[in-house]
Amino acid sequence: EPEVTQTPSHQVTQMGQEVILRCVPISNHLYFYWYRQILGQKVEFLVSFYNNEISEKSEIFDDQFSVERPDGSNFTLKIRSTKLEDSAMYFCASTRGLKEQYFGPGTRLTVT
Amino acid sequence: GESVGLHLPTLSVQEGDNSIINCAYSNSASDYFIWYKQESGKGPQFIIDIRSNMDKRQGQRVTVLLNKTVKHLSLQIAATQPGDSAVYFCAENIGGSEKLVFGKGMKLTVNP
Repeated sequence: EPEVTQTPSHQVTQMGQEVILRCVPISNHLYFYWYRQILGQKVEFLVSFYNNEISEKSEIFDDQFSVERPDGSNFTLKIRSTKLEDSAMYFCASTRGLKEQYFGPGTRLTVT
Repeated sequence: GESVGLHLPTLSVQEGDNSIINCAYSNSASDYFIWYKQESGKGPQFIIDIRSNMDKRQGQRVTVLLNKTVKHLSLQIAATQPGDSAVYFCAENIGGSEKLVFGKGMKLTVNP
């Protein structure tokens, strides 16, 4: 069964550093998402991406964040200058467009 | 009940019992709802969804009920098994929006 995959599973970085989180969505899916989950909190929407552009973003997704689909398979989230409060699980999700979003296993980002 | 910070509401059941997990959603304009299961260290896993033109939908061992009048969603799990132990989230979507808005989750513990 096709799955969304994410790398790395755990990323540790120092405050102020740039990080890139990587995702490979399910191959025939057209819509891609990033969500985050701070420890013990609910899952929060960050951004959606369709047809090579951002289609919707939340107030969390400020200028420090960017997304890219550099090739036909990868979907990345970049945080330019990480802050302590960026520490969270980051989930990638994808869907064909039928609203049923499939989530990856997540990347745990720890900012020290 | 409400959860704050690290404190999730918890439901403990005996193996073989039926479980009911409830969710109050926030937006009366939401027209699509999903239940996700999240096991420790993993991403949200799709369980079942329902559109607002329905009030009940059944899957394998699971039933979702939707009461739009009181903005209430429930997930019923029949013959609960230890493998059902996880945190369960409801999520809502408003037509025209890309994002899922997640509830705060409930931890289900199944005792053998």
